[in-house]
Amino acid sequence: AQKVTQAQTEISVVEKEDVTLDCVYETRDTTYYLFWYKQPPSGELVFLIRRNSFDEQNEISGRYSWNFQKSTSSFNFTITASQVVDSAVYFCALSADQGAQKLVFGQGTRLTINP
Amino acid sequence: EAQVTQNPRYLITVTGKKLTVTCSQNMNHEYMSWYRQDPGLGLRQIYYSMNVEVTDKGDVPEGYKVSRKEKRNFPLILESPSPNQTSLYFCASSLYGSSYNSPLHFGNGTRLTVT
Repeated sequence: AQKVTQAQTEISVVEKEDVTLDCVYETRDTTYYLFWYKQPPSGELVFLIRRNSFDEQNEISGRYSWNFQKSTSSFNFTITASQVVDSAVYFCALSADQGAQKLVFGQGTRLTINP
Repeated sequence: EAQVTQNPRYLITVTGKKLTVTCSQNMNHEYMSWYRQDPGLGLRQIYYSMNVEVTDKGDVPEGYKVSRKEKRNFPLILESPSPNQTSLYFCASSLYGSSYNSPLHFGNGTRLTVT
């Protein structure tokens, strides 16, 4: 069975601080995909990144970066120089089962950036 | 514009009154799915459909029905809603039913309240 754990339920930081959201996953599959989604207050789900299990390269996109470590089954997300617009709920998700399109989501982390 | 459209965005109803939440995609996707989002639980899959006339249960199918008579539409039916079905619902679609080569697109969500 697959499982995703986001241990941080809520995080609150002051603008311009760096913040890391943790994600730990469990799967027996050797091939899988990991995702991060952002859910702003308006409620929609915004896709941020997809990473397959064979690509452990870290990725950076502007102020966002992702650290994938298979050895610790983690896929952490860092926001550098946070901004108020980054305030949202962030979900980590896993797709395994031979690549089936079913996503298993973590519980979500509510991030609040205070001005 | 390529999109997944859910209606309505908000719905308040009473216990036992049948309702349907519609979902339509304009991308000719084969795969469609429904999720519900609850605090502390993340998103959980209700039903999915690999193609027309092919549907299957997800992790939390009890109390829900779906149909896939046309490729573009995948309505979620609650025959006799109960308060524990109060939730935020998301429809999603992808070109194929595999994560390997087709990302999942989410609708904007339907917030359902059953009193």
